[in-house]
Amino acid sequence: ELKVEQNPLFLSMQEGKNYTIYCNYSTTSDRLYWYRQDPGKSLESLFVLLSNGAVKQEGRLMASLDTKARLSTLHITAAVHDLSATYFCAVAPWYNNNDMRFGAGTRLTVKP
Amino acid sequence: DVKVTQSSRYLVKRTGEKVFLECVQDMDHENMFWYRQDPGLGLRLIYFSYDVKMKEKGDIPEGYSVSREKKERFSLILESASTNQTSMYLCASSLAGLGNEQFFGPGTRLTVL
Repeated sequence: ELKVEQNPLFLSMQEGKNYTIYCNYSTTSDRLYWYRQDPGKSLESLFVLLSNGAVKQEGRLMASLDTKARLSTLHITAAVHDLSATYFCAVAPWYNNNDMRFGAGTRLTVKP
Repeated sequence: DVKVTQSSRYLVKRTGEKVFLECVQDMDHENMFWYRQDPGLGLRLIYFSYDVKMKEKGDIPEGYSVSREKKERFSLILESASTNQTSMYLCASSLAGLGNEQFFGPGTRLTVL
């Protein structure tokens, strides 16, 4: 069974600092997704990573995928308050694109 | 833009009631999904559908059923609601095929008293 683990689950950062959220998964996959959720809102797609070594960047967020290590990272550069949200990674196993499993989420708070 | 809508944002029901949650998407997506979201557990898949009248169980189908009579609409049914089904329910849709991201609706927060 595919398991997805994120860490940390809670992250409090100062504005301007850098940090990384980690997403480990337990079975072979080359399809990994990052989503953002604001309080009381639904999930918004951030990145889709579809191959080993894939790297995508948008603004202060950069996501990467290492399929051999079964690890994805979401790196935050020079955090700003607007990045405060919960971030989820999700992985689809190689044998079933519809059976996507989500991590528990990382609640990020960026303080001034 | 893909739009996924859900019939209610908030719903309060009593134990034993039959509950219908409706989801509609407007982008002709083949796949539709129902998840529940609970604190500390992330999202867990209840059911998904890859075509009209087709359905597959997810991780936690017990106590739920689904219906997909039209491509754009996917309904989640709680036959006899229980308090442990109090949760946030999220609907999503995607194109068929590998690597297609899911687009989510706004969610329905269901409280069962």
